[in-house]
Amino acid sequence: SQKIEQNSEALNIQEGKTATLTCNYTNYSPAYLQWYRQDPGRGPVFLLLIRENEKEKRKERLKVTFDTTLKQSLFHITASQPADSATYLCALDGTGFQKLVFGTGTRLLVSP
Amino acid sequence: NAGVTQTPKFQVLKTGQSMTLQCAQDMNHEYMSWYRQDPGMGLRLIHYSVGAGITDQGEVPNGYNVSRSTTEDFPLRLLSAAPSQTSVYFCASSPRGQAGNQPQHFGDGTRLSIL
Repeated sequence: SQKIEQNSEALNIQEGKTATLTCNYTNYSPAYLQWYRQDPGRGPVFLLLIRENEKEKRKERLKVTFDTTLKQSLFHITASQPADSATYLCALDGTGFQKLVFGTGTRLLVSP
Repeated sequence: NAGVTQTPKFQVLKTGQSMTLQCAQDMNHEYMSWYRQDPGMGLRLIHYSVGAGITDQGEVPNGYNVSRSTTEDFPLRLLSAAPSQTSVYFCASSPRGQAGNQPQHFGDGTRLSIL
């Protein structure tokens, strides 16, 4: 069956450290993979998009990798801050041209 | 720009009632979609539209209807509310193109409880 898996347990890290979140997928062949941030009571906010022919994408303190062999994307936040505390969702283009499929998200808690 | 606006923000219904969740965007986006978010299940696609007059089903369409008469608006109708439809509903929009290749702009959701 098709699955997108993100760690359901919250990730707790100290301020200043690098947070690494994982997105694994099974039985999909995505051309694109996206990452979103979601704060409590709010809608997801787009962060980064990476294409299958790109190994890595950076934006300020954020870095995303996309390994189509391992069927995995890693999302890194360097020099993390308490304001980075949120739930992070990965999404990929599913079986249809216009169907985006989301993972369940991982909650990140950055303590001062 | 307001982005994607969803109304109402909260709603409580009784089983069997019908209602319409409103979604409007002011970015002239062609693609619009509805998701529901339930604990432990992530966002699931209900219906989507690639332009005015064109709609299609997503992963969990049963019990919901949509229409797209204008580019700006994409209402979601619950025909006969059931407790299983208690959820948070998100509307999203993006420019023309494959959904995976476009950032999705989300509203802040409608929190719906069916008693």
